[in-house]
Amino acid sequence: ETGVTQTPRHLVMGMTNKKSLKCEQHLGHNAMYWYKQSAKKPLELMFVYSLEERVENNSVPSRFSPECPNSSHLFLHLHTLQPEDSALYLCASSQVTGNRNTIYFGEGSWLTVV
Amino acid sequence: TQLLEQSPQFLSIQEGENLTVYCNSSSVFSSLQWYRQEPGEGPVLLVTVVTGGEVKKLKRLTFQFGDARKDSSLHITAAQPGDTGLYLCAGRGSSNTGKLIFGQGTTLQVKP
Repeated sequence: ETGVTQTPRHLVMGMTNKKSLKCEQHLGHNAMYWYKQSAKKPLELMFVYSLEERVENNSVPSRFSPECPNSSHLFLHLHTLQPEDSALYLCASSQVTGNRNTIYFGEGSWLTVV
Repeated sequence: TQLLEQSPQFLSIQEGENLTVYCNSSSVFSSLQWYRQEPGEGPVLLVTVVTGGEVKKLKRLTFQFGDARKDSSLHITAAQPGDTGLYLCAGRGSSNTGKLIFGQGTTLQVKP
């Protein structure tokens, strides 16, 4: 138990569906992240929220829409995805202080787009 | 663009053997972290190294940060089947948002 909870753990959706991934952190951290993990590729940072403000958006297609309503919750809204978007989506949080910024990951949400 | 190259990408060994995983970059990182990820789970932090030349030990695992803070290594002594998993190194760049640059990972399989 890392203190970062993701739901659902598994999601299968069609290309025309709208779904959302949810992340909640119980660690009192001030930053939250979405990462994408595909087979044989490095973890890709998608979005960073610091103090509920989006501070980084790494050229992610608009079919992925993040939302951070407060410092404990982070959502990733999914709309008209493509099969190549199938991957493990990892949420993470950290307390950004100095250079010992330890990131804690959730267990991930496995997404399959059919 | 900062990149981290991990090697080897895949390693299959027998229980009791020793191994070393390398993480190299041409860039300097303010800190470097090692994670272990089991199938179907998120990465779990093993260690953070900050100072050039720093060595940290975690039971049978020894982590070293290069003097120039551009590379790191993970050495496992007498590997056990429970060490099986994906090992990821991640360097922290200069941004104060805490962005981590991840290597592509090393998949370790330890056979009993």
